[in-house]
Amino acid sequence: DIQMTQFPSTLSASVGDRVTITCRSSQSIGRWLAWYQQKPGEAPKLLIYDASNLESGVPSRFSGSGSGTDFILTITSLQPGDFATYYCQQYNGQYTFGQGTKLEIK
Amino acid sequence: DVQLLESGGGLVQPGGSLTLSCAASGFSISSYAMSWVRQAPGKGLEWVSVIGTDGGSRYFADSVKGRFTISRDNSKNTLFLLMSSLRAEDTAVYYCAKEHGSSWCYFDSWGQGSLVTVSS
Repeated sequence: DIQMTQFPSTLSASVGDRVTITCRSSQSIGRWLAWYQQKPGEAPKLLIYDASNLESGVPSRFSGSGSGTDFILTITSLQPGDFATYYCQQYNGQYTFGQGTKLEIK
Repeated sequence: DVQLLESGGGLVQPGGSLTLSCAASGFSISSYAMSWVRQAPGKGLEWVSVIGTDGGSRYFADSVKGRFTISRDNSKNTLFLLMSSLRAEDTAVYYCAKEHGSSWCYFDSWGQGSLVTVSS
């Protein structure tokens, strides 16, 4: 089974900051990686698919990069609504989610 | 507008059974693989099961294999999760999720979730 390691588990930042979240897979998954945002009491929302493609309607301050085993989600110019939990997910055969990164207001 | 609406959650005793339904609207599920994903209270996301477009291919997480089954009724645009031999660790919000394609793809739409509580 492919394991996904996501870090940091918690990230404190301020409005306007640029932040990065890293996701590492236990074996190469090509570019078969998605990022989701989840707010308390809500379902996850797709942000990025195929490692770097922005889902329709998602602000351009969100971007994804990487391939193989190492992936990064970058959020520039943090907005109040961006404080949430973020998950990576691989879909290179079966599915695995990272443990999540909670983005908190500093 | 794509919508997924789960139902059937509730309180069940350990060892009991429960069936979740996910009614889809705004698209035809017959063209997409569909999955169930769960989230235990305060925990992260865990994929549970996926079913192919015609129901012929079904896969399960090791944690539920042999206890859960997944099915679909394309004529009613509805997805199901039949859960048996339930354990306390199955307590979670269960989401149905639409895949972008017909197999092994990301989830582009999610339902609002249905809470299953396994407790005596």
